[in-house]
Amino acid sequence: DQQVKQNSPSLSVQEGRISILNCDYTNSMFDYFLWYKKYPAEGPTFLISISSIKDKNEDGRFTVFLNKSAKHLSLHIVPSQPGDSAVYFCAASETGGGADGLTFGKGTHLIIQP
Amino acid sequence: DSGVTQTPKHLITATGQRVTLRCSPRSGDLSVYWYQQSLDQGLQFLIQYYNGEERAKGNILERFSAQQFPDLHSELNLSSLELGDSALYFCASSARTGGLVEQYFGPGTRLTVT
Repeated sequence: DQQVKQNSPSLSVQEGRISILNCDYTNSMFDYFLWYKKYPAEGPTFLISISSIKDKNEDGRFTVFLNKSAKHLSLHIVPSQPGDSAVYFCAASETGGGADGLTFGKGTHLIIQP
Repeated sequence: DSGVTQTPKHLITATGQRVTLRCSPRSGDLSVYWYQQSLDQGLQFLIQYYNGEERAKGNILERFSAQQFPDLHSELNLSSLELGDSALYFCASSARTGGLVEQYFGPGTRLTVT
């Protein structure tokens, strides 16, 4: 039973436009959400996070939105750049990730086209 | 470079064999996490150690075990290997255990069981 779902295996966006990656979860005990970015042959790299007491967190070109009632979060990248082409994983935790492992979605492959 | 190192990078072995994967966390990080990434399952949390003691367990098989040593490096032991154990194995580390904690991932060990 997948508790974190990323329903789009891939997404193609033109350079300079907005990329929106979506994530849904089923476990209402999740209180912390993180986005990781992964290039081929490398480990996942932390991008941005949000706790359930917030509905938005922004860091430069990256913004994460959390809709707790819908159990949905999204990552917005504006403007999209060629270096953003990677696989993006949504992850969730009940404790913040420090006292348990993260539950990951299967990832969305973002392709930024020139 | 996350500061987390994993050896070996690649490992090819036969069914029924036993292997050991090694992880050195970032300097000062007390927590180590192990994850398995297979093609169909995505990234799955296996086990967490904190300062030498097991802290949390995920979907880890009984054929798999781990430990964290006094110098904080960790080893993941996989025995009676099956074809389905072929996967990327990631180690991550973090400094704290409370609140929202960013986990830093190593580059992974690719295990191929033939």
